[in-house]
Formats: sequence, C-alpha cells, structure tokens
Amino acid sequence: EAGVVQSPRYKIIEKKQPVAFWCNPISGHNTLYWYRQNLGQGPELLIRYENEEAVDDSQLPKDRFSAERLKGVDSTLKIQPAELGDSAVYLCASSLPSGEQYFGPGTRLTVT
Amino acid sequence: KQEVTQIPAALSVPEGENLVLNCSFTDSAIYNLQWFRQDPGKGLTSLLLIQSSQREQTSGRLNASLDKSSGRSTLYIAASQPGDSATYLCAVRPSSNYQLIWGAGTKLIIKP
Repeated sequence: EAGVVQSPRYKIIEKKQPVAFWCNPISGHNTLYWYRQNLGQGPELLIRYENEEAVDDSQLPKDRFSAERLKGVDSTLKIQPAELGDSAVYLCASSLPSGEQYFGPGTRLTVT
Repeated sequence: KQEVTQIPAALSVPEGENLVLNCSFTDSAIYNLQWFRQDPGKGLTSLLLIQSSQREQTSGRLNASLDKSSGRSTLYIAASQPGDSATYLCAVRPSSNYQLIWGAGTKLIIKP
C-alpha cells in the first residue's frame, strides 16, 4: 500500500515569493492534516480536513496561507507571500476517522 | 491546556544497552498516545499507539507504557542498535478533539 506522498521534497524561494505544496493521502483516508515543524520542535497543526471540508483551520495564518482539498482527495497548501519565518518542514498526514495518523516525508522549505 | 514534555532532549548511549525515553503530559483526559520516530530530513513513522484504556503496547524491541493518572508514558528500547538513532516524539490526542499535542522529542544517538 502506498503511503502519503508529498511534493516537492525541498523548496528554496526568496521572501515575498509564492510557494505551493502538494499532498496525496493514503487511499481511503478521509481525514487529511497539514502540519508545520520547526527545527527541534514537534509538529504544529495548520489545518485538518474531513473529506473536502476544512473542519479545523484555527491555527492557519489566513493572511498568507491557504489550503484546498478539491474532491476530498489531494490537497494543496499555499503560502503567498512567503516570509523568512516560514522556513520549516511542512508535513502532510492522513487517517481514517479517529484513526492513527500516517505521515508523508514532508517538504523542507527555505525562504531566503 | 494540555502540554507534553519529553526529557531528556538528547541521549547518547553505547550499542547494546537497554534504554528508556520519557514523555509526560499535564491533562489525563486523553484518547490515545502515540510514539513516533523521525529520521533526519524525513517524515514521521508511527511506532506504537496506546489507547487510553491500555497500559502498554509492544512491537519487537520496543515497549511503550502509559500511566494516565501520573501523566506519563515511557518508550523502552531493548538491545539498542546504531539504526535506532533518530529523534523520538510522543504525541497525545486529547479526549475532546482530534488535534495531537506534541512533545519536542528526544534525539537518540546509539554509538557503535
């Protein structure tokens, strides 16, 4: 069974530029999560989807971050414009309802 | 507010030793607790998940225990190997919602 797929694995951009991350969850997993992880810290939840509905986006910085999950499968997380402080690893995870979360390899973003 | 703490932040031991990693949490109203492993530059791999009604879970050389009343979980690694070197994170899911609350992790180095 394929795991959670994320792309790109690495991204380097200049500040004020836009960037987008893509996630394909495990087949059949209705719940999808986006996390941000800073060095030496645990992941921080940005947004959680149940199918195509964002059921928890309370920690998403909505002035510059946006996300979508069209058709309730793949998801895209966007930052526009990026700031230096956005440098981090962005992790996608998926699960069955109330189930164990499975994580993708993450996208390491560097903003210069 | 639930808080999760992992001590020590880093640990270095010789190969072959048995070791214990600690995780403490402030609110005993949890749904489950998970231990994850993270290798440098990679995503998170779930090691063990303990439901709130359980006291321990075992997988190979790993054993995780849970004591809700004292707000503690331990991950026991038997006969450590250099391949066990990684950062180990614990995450608590509160009873009241789906959001995982993460510790900052323990960076483990097993010396050959």
